[in-house]
Amino acid sequence: RKEVEQDPGPFNVPEGATVAFNCTYSNSASQSFFWYRQDCRKEPKLLMSVYSSGNEDGRFTAQLNRASQYISLLIRDSKLSDSATYLCVVRGQAGTALIFGKGTTLSVSS
Amino acid sequence: DARVTQTPRDKVTEMGQEVTMRCQPILGHNTVFWYRQTMMQGLELLAYFRNRAPLDDSGMPKDRFSAEMPDATLATLKIQPSEPRDSAVYFCASGPGQGGGHYGYTFGSGTRLTVV
Repeated sequence: RKEVEQDPGPFNVPEGATVAFNCTYSNSASQSFFWYRQDCRKEPKLLMSVYSSGNEDGRFTAQLNRASQYISLLIRDSKLSDSATYLCVVRGQAGTALIFGKGTTLSVSS
Repeated sequence: DARVTQTPRDKVTEMGQEVTMRCQPILGHNTVFWYRQTMMQGLELLAYFRNRAPLDDSGMPKDRFSAEMPDATLATLKIQPSEPRDSAVYFCASGPGQGGGHYGYTFGSGTRLTVV
């Protein structure tokens, strides 16, 4: 079983739509959680950290359920520029390696 | 913005040749990671260093891969001899190794390796 599992998609949505991505992780000792975004032929870039209380950054909302070992990302009012691959990421202690899911591809069309 | 710098950007080489990839981490970051990305496997950790000392290289094929940090401003990943299955994008990332908080790491733009 993979440590971090995501639905690969692709998710094809029109502009303005709301889309949600889910992710599960297997290591209950994981301490930090993130969503990264990766554009085609580019490096992964940190989108947002994910906190147990849930957190929001503009149109993006991330949630964590430690009991279920489940992470989600909600994108409201999708823009064309949101088209990318979204990577679910977990980590143990600070300074240890990030463990990546294989990513979920989002395509937003006009 | 501070950056992680990787060279070369692209590399095409013949099977059996030696390949060296270089990474300059962000100044002040003491933890450096090497990842490999393929369509099939996604992003996989190869090795990482803290304060130039290797902490984990269990993801790296030991017979042909080696990773070093000759100094705090340079990390290298070497493949010798290279094989077609090594074709992938190799990313370097760096971050502060201590402290609390939910900081992520910064990735370089990668080296796209093609072994023919």
